[in-house]
Amino acid sequence: EIVMTQSPATLSASPGERATLSCRASQSVRSNLAWYQQKPGQAPRLLIFSASTRASGIPARFSGSGSGTEFTLTISSLQSEDFAVYYCQQYNNWPLYTFGQGTKLEIK
Amino acid sequence: EVQLVQSGAEVKKPGESLRISCKGSGYSFPNFWIGWVRQMPGKGLEWMGIIFPGDSDTRYSPSFQGQVTISADKSISTAYLQWSSLKASDTAMYYCARQIAYGSTYYLDYWGQGTLVTASS
Repeated sequence: EIVMTQSPATLSASPGERATLSCRASQSVRSNLAWYQQKPGQAPRLLIFSASTRASGIPARFSGSGSGTEFTLTISSLQSEDFAVYYCQQYNNWPLYTFGQGTKLEIK
Repeated sequence: EVQLVQSGAEVKKPGESLRISCKGSGYSFPNFWIGWVRQMPGKGLEWMGIIFPGDSDTRYSPSFQGQVTISADKSISTAYLQWSSLKASDTAMYYCARQIAYGSTYYLDYWGQGTLVTASS
């Protein structure tokens, strides 16, 4: 099983700041990685697929990068609505998707 | 508009059986895989398995193989997740999600609103 490890577990930041979230795979997943955002009481929402492609309707302040085992989600200028939990997910080993444990982005 | 609408919250006793549903609309339901994801209270997302409603091809995560059954009825655009004997540890929110697949790219683009299952004596 491919293990996905996200860091940090919690990130404190202020509106307007840049946030960088990391995701590491236990073995190469090439660019077969997605990012999801989950707000309290809501279902996850797709942000990024293929490591760097924004999903439809996702603001340009969200960007993804990386390949192989190291990936990054960057939010260039935090808005109040961006404070949430973020999950990475690999699909290189379909149908055995695996998710990271999540990074909680909280307001400083 | 693509929508996945899940059945309502359930409260059951351990040992009871349960089936929850996920109804798709706004797209060709038989032609897209539907996956199920568990989220235990205060925890992260866990992949359970996936079904292709067109031919009921079903794949399970090893962690959930034998613990649940995934099925679908394409005639009514509905996927199901069922338990024959619930455990207290099955208490969680369960989400269905539509999978997009092309080439080696797969992702979950639309999600249901979730079904909260509580198994408690």
